[in-house]
Amino acid sequence: NAGVTQTPKFQVLKTGQSMTLQCAQDMNHNSMYWYRQDPGMGLRLIYYSASEGTTDKGEVPNGYNVSRLNKREFSLRLESAAPSQTSVYFCATKGLYEQYFGPGTRLTVT
Amino acid sequence: GQQLNQSPQSMFIQEGEDVSMNCTSSSIFNTWLWYKQDPGEGPVLLIALYKAGELTSNGRLTAQFGITRKDSFLNISASIPSDVGIYFCAGRGASYDKVIFGPGTSLSVIP
Repeated sequence: NAGVTQTPKFQVLKTGQSMTLQCAQDMNHNSMYWYRQDPGMGLRLIYYSASEGTTDKGEVPNGYNVSRLNKREFSLRLESAAPSQTSVYFCATKGLYEQYFGPGTRLTVT
Repeated sequence: GQQLNQSPQSMFIQEGEDVSMNCTSSSIFNTWLWYKQDPGEGPVLLIALYKAGELTSNGRLTAQFGITRKDSFLNISASIPSDVGIYFCAGRGASYDKVIFGPGTSLSVIP
């Protein structure tokens, strides 16, 4: 089992470009999450999805959109990237109580 | 909104020493989680705590769910070089699906 996978691992964008970060899980979990991690800030929740077909905003949703395509996949889209969105992005799923994280996508916006 | 504070922010210790770190909140949490993150990796769950007063061990790690439900601590005994990393606490409150993370404690172990 791969657990939680994320693509791409690295990405460099110019300001104003758009892109979609992909996340897939094979753990059959209902809940999926997107976090961003910045130095000294820990993990901040962007959006989460409690089940297929539902999404909710987290702490820092501005500038992002999400799609819960099916139970396995949860994507994060940046419509017009800004330098402030330079960060490491983690996708996670949740079983009964605990979360399981993917390896992360390192995004740089110039 | 809910916020978690972790202390200390960073620690430099000698190999073999014991480590203690804690996490506090202004809100009540129903579940406390402790994660470790190695460089370039995603966080990995170390210990999960489900009720107030609970004390749980995982090898050299011991964590407790505070009685007030507003705090938790993690102890590491006899530290070794592979304990190096960032330790995050996380809490789940009334919303079953929403988990909030603290800013992390960075641990360095000097051989």
